[in-house]
Amino acid sequence: AQRVTQPEKLLSVFKGAPVELKCNYSYSGSPELFWYVQYSRQRLQLLLRHISRESIKGFTADLNKGETSFHLKKPFAQEEDSAMYYCALARFGNEKLTFGTGTRLTIIP
Amino acid sequence: EAQVTQNPRYLITVTGKKLTVTCSQNMNHEYMSWYRQDPGLGLRQIYYSMNVEVTDKGDVPEGYKVSRKEKRNFPLILESPSPNQTSLYFCASSPLRRGNTGELFFGEGSRLTVL
Repeated sequence: AQRVTQPEKLLSVFKGAPVELKCNYSYSGSPELFWYVQYSRQRLQLLLRHISRESIKGFTADLNKGETSFHLKKPFAQEEDSAMYYCALARFGNEKLTFGTGTRLTIIP
Repeated sequence: EAQVTQNPRYLITVTGKKLTVTCSQNMNHEYMSWYRQDPGLGLRQIYYSMNVEVTDKGDVPEGYKVSRKEKRNFPLILESPSPNQTSLYFCASSPLRRGNTGELFFGEGSRLTVL
């Protein structure tokens, strides 16, 4: 069975400091990993996916198969980054997403 | 505007009174899914549908039913709601095409309270 773990429910970071939201997964096959974000009063939306290897809003995430991790990072936090972040996993070629429990990120001005 | 629309957005009901939460998408997506969001538990999938007349259970299907008679609609039915179904519900859709796995488009959520 696939499983996604986000160990931090809450994370507070000062503006300008680096951010790292942790995500670990368990899955025996080839996973596809994603980060979703939910800003206050907005819909849950896709932030980035590992297959694209892109940087969105300054965030990056590298899939580490050896450590089964997909941590989300940003070098300099901004106030508008305050949101709820969910890590999610899908089996390759399958639409079913398994979400982690989420991390609420608060950026302290 | 391309979007997923849920109704009602807020509902308070009593135990045992059947209710339906509607979900509609205007993007011609094949895949649709229902999730519930609970504190400390994140998002858990209730049911999903790969296309018209094709539905399957997710991780927490007990107490729920769905139907997919039309491509755009995917209603969630609670035949006899109970207080443990008090939650925030999200509908999501996705096109089933190569290279797009995992990009779900979410509705705004429906907050349900069962007394």
